[in-house]
Amino acid sequence: DTAVSQTPKYLVTQMGNDKSIKCEQNLGHDTMYWYKQDSKKFLKIMFSYNNKELIINETVPNRFSPKSPDKAHLNLHINSLELGDSAVYFCASSQGFFRGAGGEQYFGPGTRLTVT
Amino acid sequence: ILNVEQSPQSLHVQEGDSTNFTCSFPSSNFYALHWYRWETAKSPEALFVMTLNGDEKKKGRISATLNTKEGYSYLYIKGSQPEDSATYLCASRPNNNAGNMLTFGGGTRLMVKP
Repeated sequence: DTAVSQTPKYLVTQMGNDKSIKCEQNLGHDTMYWYKQDSKKFLKIMFSYNNKELIINETVPNRFSPKSPDKAHLNLHINSLELGDSAVYFCASSQGFFRGAGGEQYFGPGTRLTVT
Repeated sequence: ILNVEQSPQSLHVQEGDSTNFTCSFPSSNFYALHWYRWETAKSPEALFVMTLNGDEKKKGRISATLNTKEGYSYLYIKGSQPEDSATYLCASRPNNNAGNMLTFGGGTRLMVKP
């Protein structure tokens, strides 16, 4: 069984569209994350979320919003897509969130988003 | 150091060689240092999470050390094998109320030739 899964694996869309990427984890973790792999291949944290608190990296445009229907899912919704949003997006999960907790993160397979 | 930096960016070794690479991170306000192994076309996989100065962790032929006072960690691979070829990422978590938010370095890409 896949621990952290993402759909779709590839997403090609046009500028201005709104799209969502889904993430599910079956590890029973309480915290989920979204990362963007930028053009230099760096992994940049976008959001950290558990059922109590959402923490947003201040550099993330407000066109990006995480939506969590339940503890096992954290979807990434993107409004008004721009060319610069083209990247690989990774979902991850871990157990623990607040100070004094928080361990290794488990990553999904990534979603390659191409905006044309 | 404001960011997490890794060196070298890439490394070619022969099978059987031992190797090591460096991760530098902000030493002030430190909470934890993570190491991940990232094979091509796969997802990053956790190797170690280290929190204490002087920590040393080992998994098979791979080990890591941590110096929180000077802000660096070393990853060692003993007797490299072709299957060790991957990008090795380190990530720092600061001691704040921002949850388990990690800042990743750019990685060291290791290629082991048979």
